[in-house]
Amino acid sequence: DAMVIQNPRYQVTQFGKPVTLSCSQTLNHNVMYWYQQKSSQAPKLLFHYYDKDFNNEADTPDNFQSRRPNTSFCFLDIRSPGLGDAAMYLCATSSQGGTAYGYTFGSGTRLTVV
Amino acid sequence: AQSVAQPEDQVNVAEGNPLTVKCTYSVSGNPYLFWYVQYPNRGLQFLLKYITGDNLVKGSYGFEAEFNKSQTSFHLKKPSALVSDSALYFCAVRVQLYNNNDMRFGAGTRLTVKP
Repeated sequence: DAMVIQNPRYQVTQFGKPVTLSCSQTLNHNVMYWYQQKSSQAPKLLFHYYDKDFNNEADTPDNFQSRRPNTSFCFLDIRSPGLGDAAMYLCATSSQGGTAYGYTFGSGTRLTVV
Repeated sequence: AQSVAQPEDQVNVAEGNPLTVKCTYSVSGNPYLFWYVQYPNRGLQFLLKYITGDNLVKGSYGFEAEFNKSQTSFHLKKPSALVSDSALYFCAVRVQLYNNNDMRFGAGTRLTVKP
């Protein structure tokens, strides 16, 4: 089945140690998003790729970076994780062309910072 | 600003009773409204959407939602709740940005269905 896959499901990293979360999709959607979700709050958009165009939200910390080497893969890099970065990170995809389309979410990666 | 609001943090219902999870929206133009459900340690799953047409929209797992333009509401409903419906529910509106579309989520409502 076409889907969005996030790896790993659970990630434990040390304070200040760089960490990378990955997302892959078989939907061939041209837009990919990264969200941060804390404590059952609403997901907060960090950035998204529209094809190869990177779009950063104004309040996304510089500590967060992203890469999209091809249509299928997108990575979230946290350069120096702090305790406040512990959260669920959600990847989502959508096709272009209109507001009528919803997003397809991956299962998320829960990041713990120790 | 285009947004949705979920006025209830928590909704508790007994199994077999009808449930309603409320959502109101503030959108200029025609709204594109969505409901998502999130189970523990999982991503968001699409339930249903309203784009145009009938005000009553039917979705997955027996859920439905009623679009009410005069009240700017899009409440999620189910005639008979199941314990397995217990989860976090998000209402969302999709807005047109200059280069893409953006999904704006409500704060979420935790639904607990008790046996």
